[in-house]
Amino acid sequence: AQKVTQAQTEISVVEKEDVTLDCVYETRDTTYYLFWYKQPPSGELVFLIRRNSFDEQNEISGRYSWNFQKSTSSFNFTITASQVVDSAVYFCALKLNRDDKIIFGKGTRLHILP
Amino acid sequence: ETGVTQSPTHLIKTRGQQVTLRCSSQSGHNTVSWYQQALGQGPQFIFQYYREEENGRGNFPPRFSGLQFPNYSSELNVNALELDDSALYLCASSLLGQGQHNYGYTFGSGTRLTVV
Repeated sequence: AQKVTQAQTEISVVEKEDVTLDCVYETRDTTYYLFWYKQPPSGELVFLIRRNSFDEQNEISGRYSWNFQKSTSSFNFTITASQVVDSAVYFCALKLNRDDKIIFGKGTRLHILP
Repeated sequence: ETGVTQSPTHLIKTRGQQVTLRCSSQSGHNTVSWYQQALGQGPQFIFQYYREEENGRGNFPPRFSGLQFPNYSSELNVNALELDDSALYLCASSLLGQGQHNYGYTFGSGTRLTVV
């Protein structure tokens, strides 16, 4: 069975601190995609990144970076120099190549305190 | 290009009633998926529509049904509403290509349904 675990339910940090959101996934499939989405209070899921299972190269986009490690089935997300606008719920998700659905974790609520 | 729009944004229904939620997909997308997000949980896949037919379904009972129209917009219908159906319903559009791979999903802001 496929599963995504985000062990951190809620995190609070002071503005300008770095913060890492953890994500562990489970699947026996060899071809899959991993996602991170941001959900602000407005409700929509804002796409942040998609990685396929064959690309373990870490990625940096501005203050955001992602660390994909197949050996530990983890896909962690780091925000550097956090800002108040980063406050939101963040979801890690998994999609198998052979399937249509996205499997989401329960999310991590991130509070950036001024 | 326009994004995904959902209507209504909020809705209150009584247990046992029926509800229809609507979704307009992003321009250029041909596939629509629906997700249910209960409070404090991650979204759960309900079903996906492609070429006006159901193209995959999650673990939801038959009283959850849908439609996709020729312009790729979609409806989610829920019959015999139960209190546990209270949730944020999200629609996502995507492009299913020749290789049957989805090339990214665009989500709408959702419809918040409250069943009393």
